[in-house]
Amino acid sequence: GESVGLHLPTLSVQEGDNSIINCAYSNSASDYFIWYKQESGKGPQFIIDIRSNMDKRQGQRVTVLLNKTVKHLSLQIAATQPGDSAVYFCAENNGDYKLSFGAGTTVTVRA
Amino acid sequence: NAGVMQNPRHLVRRRGQEARLRCSPMKGHSHVYWYRQLPEEGLKFMVYLQKENIIDESGMPKERFSAEFPKEGPSILRIQQVVRGDSAAYFCASSATGLMNTGELFFGEGSRLTVL
Repeated sequence: GESVGLHLPTLSVQEGDNSIINCAYSNSASDYFIWYKQESGKGPQFIIDIRSNMDKRQGQRVTVLLNKTVKHLSLQIAATQPGDSAVYFCAENNGDYKLSFGAGTTVTVRA
Repeated sequence: NAGVMQNPRHLVRRRGQEARLRCSPMKGHSHVYWYRQLPEEGLKFMVYLQKENIIDESGMPKERFSAEFPKEGPSILRIQQVVRGDSAAYFCASSATGLMNTGELFFGEGSRLTVL
């Protein structure tokens, strides 16, 4: 079965608010995690990554948190904008060349 | 620098026909990966190739599907005798190395196959 999953398939957020997208994984051997953004009709686009020796990493308006105890990671988007509307995937890797993707969360930003 | 180029972007085939999807990796990348995405689902790994070699095809169906990455030219994912269940978006990705923990994996825009 899948080793990576997302808690909620959809998220509606008011423009300007912060978004939090959650992801649970089951493979304790996974040591690298990535968040991707996929806009309609396009390929996945790298947002941010984190290694298992870290619990937090920040980028531009995005923060990824990793809780290895409960095998959970989250993506926080600050001041959500209309251009953030997309499907967000978490993906994991356990040291080889394969990525395992979750099913995705569709984020819709309300004006 | 051009990104990962896939064509065709959209392909319609009738059951029993063949589908050929092409992927040109980013310049300087010699590692190519194919993933399949069914509607409302995440991407699933199919095959990993380097120039002239299939490294791992464990995610690819044993029958009707094949992939190649010749010395010259793009990587090709070939689906013979397509069935409706093959309808999906097929994404190609490339990297400079075979290690995933560098974040340097780039995806193309995908080829959307519809089987009538």
